Amino acid sequence: GAGVSQTPSNKVTEKGKYVELRCDPISGHTALYWYRQSLGQGPEFLIYFQGTGAADDSGLPNDRFFAVRPEGSVSTLKIQRTERGDSAVYLCASSLGATAYEQYFGPGTRLTVT
Amino acid sequence: QQQVKQSPQSLIVQKGGISIINCAYENTAFDYFPWYQQFPGKGPALLIAIRPDVSEKKEGRFTISFNKSAKQFSLHIMDSQPGDSATYFCAGGRTDKLIFGTGTRLQVFP
Repeated sequence: GAGVSQTPSNKVTEKGKYVELRCDPISGHTALYWYRQSLGQGPEFLIYFQGTGAADDSGLPNDRFFAVRPEGSVSTLKIQRTERGDSAVYLCASSLGATAYEQYFGPGTRLTVT
Repeated sequence: QQQVKQSPQSLIVQKGGISIINCAYENTAFDYFPWYQQFPGKGPALLIAIRPDVSEKKEGRFTISFNKSAKQFSLHIMDSQPGDSATYFCAGGRTDKLIFGTGTRLQVFP
């Protein structure tokens, strides 16, 4: 059983560029979460999907951030017009479903905006 | 209402000793309190979790103590080992999201 996978593992981009970060959840998990972890801090919630729909996007910092999950499995976090303050590790987690509490995290994508 | 406060920020323990990390939450709607272990360059790994209807949960060397009235919970690591050296995060939440503490860096020396 594969765990949550995230690609790329590292991404370096220039300020102002557009980036996409991908998450493959554990097979059969219908709930998917994105978090952002800055250096020395705990993960910070961004968005929660149940199936294909975003059930809670209250953690997205502004409208430059957007996430999709068109087929209820793989999710992509999209960041437009990147800023240096976006530099962080972006973590994806999945859980069995709407009533499941246990979230299992992937290894993260380290985003560096220069 | 959403914060989870964690202490200490760092902890040094001798091998075989007991490591204790404390957390306090504010949101009484939280009904799930997990602890995660994170090694450098890796994602957080679920270690142990508790629901508020019990006051203690033990899994091997790891125990969560939960005090609902005080809105506090703690992680106890018995017989701490050098391999336990990592950063530990407490969290509180429900099925839709988790709110994490700021982490405790644990170092266990032989």
